[in-house]
Amino acid sequence: EAGVVQSPRYKIIEKKQPVAFWCNPISGHNTLYWYLQNLGQGPELLIRYENEEAVDDSQLPKDRFSAERLKGVDSTLKIQPAELGDSAVYLCASSSISGTGTYEQYFGPGTRLTVT
Amino acid sequence: AQRVTQPEKLLSVFKGAPVELKCNYSYSGSPELFWYVQYSRQRLQLLLRHISRESIKGFTADLNKGETSFHLKKPFAQEEDSAMYYCALRKSNTGKLIFGQGTTLQVKP
Repeated sequence: EAGVVQSPRYKIIEKKQPVAFWCNPISGHNTLYWYLQNLGQGPELLIRYENEEAVDDSQLPKDRFSAERLKGVDSTLKIQPAELGDSAVYLCASSSISGTGTYEQYFGPGTRLTVT
Repeated sequence: AQRVTQPEKLLSVFKGAPVELKCNYSYSGSPELFWYVQYSRQRLQLLLRHISRESIKGFTADLNKGETSFHLKKPFAQEEDSAMYYCALRKSNTGKLIFGQGTTLQVKP
């Protein structure tokens, strides 16, 4: 089992350019999360999907960020246009409801974005 | 507002010394608390959760609702415990995790 897969691992772009990140969750996990992690901070939730539905996107800056999870499996997070302040690590996580009703989240390795 | 506070950015101890990483939270309901760990060049992973009341790699954490704390403890630190540790709170019946800022634990030989 490869775990949560993310690509690319690193991305350097100039400001005002678009960028996209891809995430493949663990097989069978119906819930997918995108987190933003700024340097020296803990992860902050951007959006959470239950299957294809975005059930919590309150922290997603919708003027420049968008996300999709077609078919309820893979997901893409896009930024257009990127700004200098978007430089951060973007984490994807997935989970399923365990027998005890808990949601253990499994994290991907993250994509480190640098905007110049 | 829900919030998780880890007051120490860096905790440095010698091998064999006791370790306590502090975590305080603010939440009006019944929270679920977790500790996540990130070793160098590895992904973030769950260390333990309060509802399991388990000991993982010698670490334990007790939820103190009166003090709204969930401190992580280990009686004898090992060099391989050096990592970044994050305390997190999960809102009831949702998957949303709220993380603290993290504490770097450095165990010196």
